[in-house]
Amino acid sequence: ELKVEQNPLFLSMQEGKNYTIYCNYSTTSDRLYWYRQDPGKSLESLFVLLSNGAVKQEGRLMASLDTKARLSTLHITAAVHDLSATYFCAVDYLQPSQFYFGTGTSLTVIP
Amino acid sequence: EAQVTQNPRYLITVTGKKLTVTCSQNMNHEYMSWYRQDPGLGLRQIYYSMNVEVTDKGDVPEGYKVSRKEKRNFPLILESPSPNQTSLYFCASSLSWQLSSYEQYFGPGTRLTVT
Repeated sequence: ELKVEQNPLFLSMQEGKNYTIYCNYSTTSDRLYWYRQDPGKSLESLFVLLSNGAVKQEGRLMASLDTKARLSTLHITAAVHDLSATYFCAVDYLQPSQFYFGTGTSLTVIP
Repeated sequence: EAQVTQNPRYLITVTGKKLTVTCSQNMNHEYMSWYRQDPGLGLRQIYYSMNVEVTDKGDVPEGYKVSRKEKRNFPLILESPSPNQTSLYFCASSLSWQLSSYEQYFGPGTRLTVT
């Protein structure tokens, strides 16, 4: 059974600080996805990482993928309040169409 | 506007009363999927469909049915809802299972309460 684990589950950080969210998965997958969910809202796609060593950046967020370590990171640089949300990673597995999500990281950025 | 729509957005029902949650997308996407979101568990895939008339079970299919008669629609059916199906449900779609990327577009969600 594939497991996707995120750490930490809850993260409270001050504006201007840097932090990293980790996503570990248990079985080989070459595709990893990051999503953002605002309270009471749907999920919004942030990044799609398709190969080992892939790195993508958008604003203050940067995602990377190490398929050998089965690890993806989401790095937050100089956090601002607008980044407060829950972040999910997801992988697809076996058939190229079944998805597994992590439990999410609830991020709160404090002014 | 490209979007995934779900109806109803909120539903309170009683145990055993059949219900259907509709999902529709206007992006000509081949792949569609249903998820449920529960606190502390993230999202779990219920069913997915790679194209018309092609559906398969996800991680938690028990108690649910789906159909894909048209490309744009993918309804979720609960034949006999039970309280443990109280959850937030999301429908999602993506362009094609043949592409290397499965970036999914999510609907607004349906909050279901079964009493």
